[in-house]
Amino acid sequence: AQTIHQWPVAEIKAVGSPLSLGCTIKGKSSPNLYWYWQATGGTLQQLFYSITVGQVESVVQLNLSASRPKDDQFILSTEKLLLSHSGFYLCAWSLHGGKNQDTQYFGPGTRLLVL
Amino acid sequence: GDQVEQSPSALSLHEGTGSALRCNFTTTMRAVQWFRKNSRGSLINLFYLASGTKENGRLKSAFDSKERYSTLHIRDAQLEDSGTYFCAAEGGSALGRLHFGAGTQLIVIP
Repeated sequence: AQTIHQWPVAEIKAVGSPLSLGCTIKGKSSPNLYWYWQATGGTLQQLFYSITVGQVESVVQLNLSASRPKDDQFILSTEKLLLSHSGFYLCAWSLHGGKNQDTQYFGPGTRLLVL
Repeated sequence: GDQVEQSPSALSLHEGTGSALRCNFTTTMRAVQWFRKNSRGSLINLFYLASGTKENGRLKSAFDSKERYSTLHIRDAQLEDSGTYFCAAEGGSALGRLHFGAGTQLIVIP
């Protein structure tokens, strides 16, 4: 069975500090991976997606970056947090993407508060 | 602009009754997913549809790509059905890009 983990569960950070959020997928090889973000009271929106190791596409510009150092790992980071980065971050995976339609499965999420 | 309009934003149902949630799309979508938010804020998969209808227990979903809408029907609502439900549609050129609705907060009343 596939499992998806995100860390940390929650984080309180200062404006201007760095951030690194992690996501790992176990039990599935070569998944498509996605990062989503939801501001408090906002709608969930996709930030990044990756179809393979080392390849990441940006969907929305939020002064964040993402990397996929391993097949089962997706990292979201920034060197300088903004207040507007607060919110809920979700990682998701799917088996296929693009024209091969497929269900996306979401991780437990990381709640971030920037002060 | 917003590509997914979800309605209603909030819904109260008496136990045992039913209703429907709806998502309208401003453009043609390839597929739709319905989710329910769990207590931690993450998303539980309910349905994935590329066309037609699917049913699971007291939930039934339909997706019409041509008419640009999807629905989620809940029948015989139970207290534990209370929560926030989201639709998300896949469309456009970006791989696996899901466009989320704003959600429907469902409250089931005893």
